[in-house]
Amino acid sequence: AQKVTQAQTEISVVEKEDVTLDCVYETRDTTYYLFWYKQPPSGELVFLIRRNSFDEQNEISGRYSWNFQKSTSSFNFTITASQVVDSAVYFCALIAYSGAGSYQLTFGKGTKLSVIP
Amino acid sequence: DSGVTQTPKHLITATGQRVTLRCSPRSGDLSVYWYQQSLDQGLQFLIQYYNGEERAKGNILERFSAQQFPDLHSELNLSSLELGDSALYFCASSVAEYEQFFGPGTRLTVL
Repeated sequence: AQKVTQAQTEISVVEKEDVTLDCVYETRDTTYYLFWYKQPPSGELVFLIRRNSFDEQNEISGRYSWNFQKSTSSFNFTITASQVVDSAVYFCALIAYSGAGSYQLTFGKGTKLSVIP
Repeated sequence: DSGVTQTPKHLITATGQRVTLRCSPRSGDLSVYWYQQSLDQGLQFLIQYYNGEERAKGNILERFSAQQFPDLHSELNLSSLELGDSALYFCASSVAEYEQFFGPGTRLTVL
């Protein structure tokens, strides 16, 4: 079975501060994919990044960066110089093979980020 | 815009009623997934269909059922609704298993 843990339920930061959202995952599969999604107050799920288990390179996209470490089963997300528009719930998720040709997303509980102006 | 459409956007109904949520996948996507986001359970997988056939089941209640039609759109049927069924229901579609595209969701409120 797969499991994703986001230990931080809520985080508040002041605008322009950096913030890191933690994600720890569990899976027995050697091939898997990790994701981060953003859910703004409007409710839709916005895809941010996908990483496969064979690619441990860190990635930077503008103010966003991701640190994938298989040794600690972590896939952490850092927002640099946070902005009010970053206020949202962020979900870490995992896809691993669940049998009979099915791949389902397992989500963490989410971290609610509030950026205070 | 992911290309996945869901209707209706909002639905308000009473306990004991039955509702149908509709999802149209992206053009060419054969797989449709349904997810439920509730306050107590978080985001969880309900069921997957692939080209009209049920592929996998998650934490879907027996009061809930789904189907995928020949034109690949899918419907999620929720019956004997309870207050706890109030949630945001997402549909996703994919052609590759590692890339699911989410619709905007249907917000169900059971009064």
